[in-house]
Amino acid sequence: LAKTTQPISMDSYEGQEVNITCSHNNIATNDYITWYQQFPSQGPRFIIQGYKTKVTNEVASLFIPADRKSSTLSLPRVSLSDTAVYYCLVGASYQKVTFGIGTKLQVIP
Amino acid sequence: NAGVTQTPKFRVLKTGQSMTLLCAQDMNHEYMYWYRQDPGMGLRLIHYSVGEGTTAKGEVPDGYNVSRLKKQNFLLGLESAAPSQTSVYFCAADFSGANVLTFGAGSRLTVL
Repeated sequence: LAKTTQPISMDSYEGQEVNITCSHNNIATNDYITWYQQFPSQGPRFIIQGYKTKVTNEVASLFIPADRKSSTLSLPRVSLSDTAVYYCLVGASYQKVTFGIGTKLQVIP
Repeated sequence: NAGVTQTPKFRVLKTGQSMTLLCAQDMNHEYMYWYRQDPGMGLRLIHYSVGEGTTAKGEVPDGYNVSRLKKQNFLLGLESAAPSQTSVYFCAADFSGANVLTFGAGSRLTVL
């Protein structure tokens, strides 16, 4: 399984765009990149998944460069309710899914 | 449509007692997972199942057993609880093994 590295914590003001970058230098050809969000006292929630280039949904965008050795989760115009822990996962289908420590995002009023 | 339901939500045990956590899903998903989450540790995979009748070890399987006799249920057992097993336990289900997991609300276990 590819190892991921992401910042332990980030702060952002309300209304700003937040970019969280995840490094995964040993990503394999069949690996997907998946991001989850976790609020306190809740289970993680799937946000977005991608393989290459850019993926966008109603919540976030995921940017993946051509070499796929990193990825960036972009949250547009964050609000206080976006304060959460964000996890980057890298793996192929049918593999056991493991989570790291994640990035704790604190949105400041 | 409840998704993934975990019972109980809270439980206090004494050292040496046994208990079972139940995870039930109504989404007909093949893959199911049990994780534990401790402060500052992220989620660690205990056991997982790729289908009815199958189980496999995750990162931290010691002290736990699991069973998947029915597709919709994944049970996590503690045979002899220890204080080190005090944690929040999360169950998750995945339709196709594509790493898109739906999680339950969690079960908080305290072992005294």
